Amino acid sequence: LAKTTQPVSMDSYEGQEVNITCSHNNIATNDYITWYQQFPSQGPRFIIQGYKTKVTNEVASLFIPADRKSSTLSLPRVSLSDTAVYYCLVEARQLTFGSGTQLTVLP
Amino acid sequence: NAGVTQTPKFRVLKTGQSMTLLCAQDMNHEYMYWYRQDPGMGLRLIHYSVGEGTTAKGEVPDGYNVSRLKKQNFLLGLESAAPSQTSVYFCASSYSTGDPLDTQYFGPGTRLTVL
Repeated sequence: LAKTTQPVSMDSYEGQEVNITCSHNNIATNDYITWYQQFPSQGPRFIIQGYKTKVTNEVASLFIPADRKSSTLSLPRVSLSDTAVYYCLVEARQLTFGSGTQLTVLP
Repeated sequence: NAGVTQTPKFRVLKTGQSMTLLCAQDMNHEYMYWYRQDPGMGLRLIHYSVGEGTTAKGEVPDGYNVSRLKKQNFLLGLESAAPSQTSVYFCASSYSTGDPLDTQYFGPGTRLTVL
C-alpha cells in the first residue's frame, strides 16, 4: 500500500496562499492523487485529483513533480472558512484516510 | 438529489444495547462504505460493499455487522454496544474504485455515544 505523509497541522492568515505537501514515495504507476477537505462535524468532500504536472479547478491547484513522489495542494488567498482538515490519498483502491493536515486560518 | 443521507444524526446507547445505522444514496453508486472517526483522528474503514448483496471487512470491523440488501442502502449494526464504539460514523458511496480513484461522496455523519 502506498503510504502518505502530511504535516499534522498548519496555520495561515487570511488572504495568504497555503501550500500543503504530501509525500508518497511508493506511489504506483497507475495511482492518482486525490485530496479531500473535511470541515468540523461534516464528512469529507472531494477537492481535486491529478496524475501529473498541474491541475487547477475553482477551489485549488494541485502540483505534481515529474517523479510523482510528492504533491502539493495549493489554496489561493485562504479565508477563515478554509479552516479544515485536508487529506491526501494516492492509491486507486486506498480506502483509508490518514489523520490529514489541520489547516487553521487566522484573522 | 439528496446525495448520501444517514439516519439517525445522534444517538445515545447504554452498554450492551444494539442499534442499526442506516445509510441511503440516490446516485446509483455501486460502492458504499462505513467509516468511524474518533476525536482528532482520521477516518477508519469499518466495512464496505462493492455491490448489492456483497460486503467486505475494512480496517476495524470487529463489533460491527453490515448488510446491503438494496443497492441504495447500506446498514451498519452494533449488536452489543461498547463504550469504545463511541464515535462519529460516516457513510460514503462511489461509482467504483477503479482507476482513477473514484470520488467518494460522504453523508453528514452519525454521532454515537455509548455510556
